[in-house]
Amino acid sequence: QQQVKQSPQSLIVQKGGISIINCAYENTAFDYFPWYQQFPGKGPALLIAIRPDVSEKKEGRFTISFNKSAKQFSLHIMDSQPGDSATYFCAASSYNTNAGKSTFGDGTTLTVKP
Amino acid sequence: DAGVIQSPRHEVTEMGQEVTLRCKPISGHNSLFWYRQTMMRGLELLIYFNNNVPIDDSGMPEDRFSAKMPNASFSTLKIQPSEPRDSAVYFCASSLRTSRGILAQYFGPGTRLTVL
Repeated sequence: QQQVKQSPQSLIVQKGGISIINCAYENTAFDYFPWYQQFPGKGPALLIAIRPDVSEKKEGRFTISFNKSAKQFSLHIMDSQPGDSATYFCAASSYNTNAGKSTFGDGTTLTVKP
Repeated sequence: DAGVIQSPRHEVTEMGQEVTLRCKPISGHNSLFWYRQTMMRGLELLIYFNNNVPIDDSGMPEDRFSAKMPNASFSTLKIQPSEPRDSAVYFCASSLRTSRGILAQYFGPGTRLTVL
């Protein structure tokens, strides 16, 4: 019940295209869903996050879509750029329990070709 | 604002030696997490603390690993004795639960450990 399943494992997109990464969870107690971006040699960094009281959150070219009934959420990167090439992790946590412990997906390696 | 600080950034040691990794969380954060990242196993949570108290160490691989948090601004992860299979990047992260529901973790730059 603590798993977060992320797909695809890797993704290649042309510059200007849309990158879509999907995650699914089982634990209905999760109520905070962040996405992290990790560049080679760096630690993961918070990119964007959503609470389940909204179905979509947009920040610049990055959008999270959230489907509470399906227990799924996805990251959309519009107008993908070579600089977006990185590994992306979805995560889920329960605000009121576990001291902020997050369950992470396995990561998606995104390559944006120029 | 300084982020999470980890030291050393790189560590090369020989099998059997003791290794100590250090972390300074973001000031004011009340939770601290130690992760290990490898190509094979991805990002693994080893242990986490809340208000300096270890909450869950079920991810610690074996007794050779230990972690402490003597105060709110410092934590260590120790491996004794180290083995080649411990080679990985070790991340420390801290987080703060706010009244607005912010719960994101802020990661340090990591320590790349190589055990020969």
